[in-house]
Amino acid sequence: NAGVTQTPKFQVLKTGQSMTLQCAQDMNHNSMYWYRQDPGMGLRLIYYSASEGTTDKGEVPNGYNVSRLNKREFSLRLESAAPSQTSVYFCASSEPGQGFHEQFFGPGTRLTVL
Amino acid sequence: TQLLEQSPQFLSIQEGENLTVYCNSSSVFSSLQWYRQEPGEGPVLLVTVVTGGEVKKLKRLTFQFGDARKDSSLHITAAQPGDTGLYLCAPSRDEYGNKLVFGAGTILRVKS
Repeated sequence: NAGVTQTPKFQVLKTGQSMTLQCAQDMNHNSMYWYRQDPGMGLRLIYYSASEGTTDKGEVPNGYNVSRLNKREFSLRLESAAPSQTSVYFCASSEPGQGFHEQFFGPGTRLTVL
Repeated sequence: TQLLEQSPQFLSIQEGENLTVYCNSSSVFSSLQWYRQEPGEGPVLLVTVVTGGEVKKLKRLTFQFGDARKDSSLHITAAQPGDTGLYLCAPSRDEYGNKLVFGAGTILRVKS
């Protein structure tokens, strides 16, 4: 099992460009999440999808959109990138009905917006 | 939103030393998780503490959940360079049963 995979691993954008970050999981989890991580601020939730067909805003959703394409895939889109969106982005998945809701994280996408 | 405060923010120690990091909140949690994130990787779950006063051990790591279930600590005995990383705490569930709120974390650097 690959767990949670993310593409790309690195990306440099110019202000105003758009891009989509891809995430897939092979653990048959219902819930998926997108976080951003900035120095000194830990992980902040951008959007999450409790189950296929649903998405909800997290703590910092402005400037982002998401699509839960199917049970495996959850993408994050930046329509018009801004320097403030320079960050490391993590996708995670979990199965709320199992145990204590452990989240499994991908390796991250390091995004720089110039 | 449940606020989690982790302290210290940064800790740099020599190999072989002991250390404790803390996770505090004004909210009561049904359970709390500790994750470790190594440089360039995503966080990985270390442990979940569930019962007030509970102590769990994972090799040289000892996790304690406060009696009132508002705080937790992580103690590392004889730290090694492999312990270097960011230690994050988070409640297992928020009041909606879904999304997690993470603390800002403690960055630990163990020098050999």
